[in-house]
Amino acid sequence: QITLKESGPTLVKPTQTLTLTCTFSGFSLNISGVGVGWIRQPPGKALEWLALIYWNDDKRYSPSLKSRLTITKDTSKNQVVLTMTNMDPVDTATYYCAHSGSNWIDPWGQGTLVTVSS
Amino acid sequence: SYEVTQPPSVSVFPGQTASITCSGDKLGDKYASWYQQKPGQSPVLVIYQDIKRPSGIPERFSGSNSGNTATLTISGTQAMDEADYYCQAWDTSTVVFGGGTKLTVL
Repeated sequence: QITLKESGPTLVKPTQTLTLTCTFSGFSLNISGVGVGWIRQPPGKALEWLALIYWNDDKRYSPSLKSRLTITKDTSKNQVVLTMTNMDPVDTATYYCAHSGSNWIDPWGQGTLVTVSS
Repeated sequence: SYEVTQPPSVSVFPGQTASITCSGDKLGDKYASWYQQKPGQSPVLVIYQDIKRPSGIPERFSGSNSGNTATLTISGTQAMDEADYYCQAWDTSTVVFGGGTKLTVL
């Protein structure tokens, strides 16, 4: 059974850097074709894809947020970390991590709500 | 950048067929996936690679993708199917989500 869980701060101040950790079990990020991605959802709004890292350390980013995002993996800890710089109140959202195959995203973690406010 | 578009809302009577569309330039040349999200819950994959159903997803969920439009079809819609539905496509190795469709079962 694959599970993922997001962790990190629930409140960050504007201009700060957000660091979120995804801890997963039930699969290995050493296996060909496997990836872990991050998606966010502002309250009452649509899903927005952020980033994806593959088993071979190939990294993909949302073109609109690429300059602010960094995704890394620690295979030994079964963790993927996302950092987002220069946080703004519009970045307030639930942030999800999810297991990715070649053409799907499944399953998703429970999500973590991050509020950006001074 | 690539975009896919969904209608904001679709309504259906119980037992009837609901169709939710997702439009994008040459979307039929890409794989489309669909996710169901109920209030307060994480999204759940219901269709992937245009037509495939993950284990545990009822047979009443089906998908198609051709030309510029992918479609999620729910046959014999049940009250439990009321949710937000998101289409998703891959474009040059990046992921794109539609704006979501709220399905209301009347």
